[in-house]
Amino acid sequence: SAVISQKPSRDICQRGTSLTIQCQVDSQVTMMFWYRQQPGQSLTLIATANQGSEATYESGFVIDKFPISRPNLTFSTLTVSNMSPEDSSIYLCSVTVNGPTEAFFGQGTRLTVV
Amino acid sequence: GNSVTQMEGPVTLSEEAFLTINCTYTATGYPSLFWYVQYPGEGLQLLLKATKADDKGSNKGFEATYRKETTSFHLEKGSVQVSDSAVYFCALHNQAGTALIFGKGTTLSVSS
Repeated sequence: SAVISQKPSRDICQRGTSLTIQCQVDSQVTMMFWYRQQPGQSLTLIATANQGSEATYESGFVIDKFPISRPNLTFSTLTVSNMSPEDSSIYLCSVTVNGPTEAFFGQGTRLTVV
Repeated sequence: GNSVTQMEGPVTLSEEAFLTINCTYTATGYPSLFWYVQYPGEGLQLLLKATKADDKGSNKGFEATYRKETTSFHLEKGSVQVSDSAVYFCALHNQAGTALIFGKGTTLSVSS
């Protein structure tokens, strides 16, 4: 299993500013993912955080808006840049362990942009 | 492409009622299938899973059977409780190294 600590748990930010979300895992994992969950919606994959190389972004998400760091096998950050109210969502960090058998999620960061 | 379709909510039931939340999927090959639950104010938790056809996942009184012939993984519980009120997500995983693909989620509200 994996225990994920995600910080901050929530924040209220002014439009035009940036917020960096941290994800710390209690064990080394190969695959780390960042999701967005907009109000009343399902989870949408933003990107796969690759250790030692650039993140792999899904269609509709770009590095300039959502820069991701993955300095080692237990830690990643997601930055939401130049925020607008449309970025108000829950952002979740996830890891998979033992291939496809299970994914673990952080508690999420509830972001409100005003 | 891979996708998951689950029934729209909200689903409102009385305590001890029978629950079914439908989930169907589209995928190449043989995906692993999951139900995740998100209780109010909490993160996503794995509820149950099945990794091959005809497998039945079960946990906390919930069950789901991997039906390849109908590409379905419906969630059932014989007698729901107020504490089961949550959002339920059906998901699939089709390839090592890739992320889960989620359905839209179904909100369940159980009243006493």
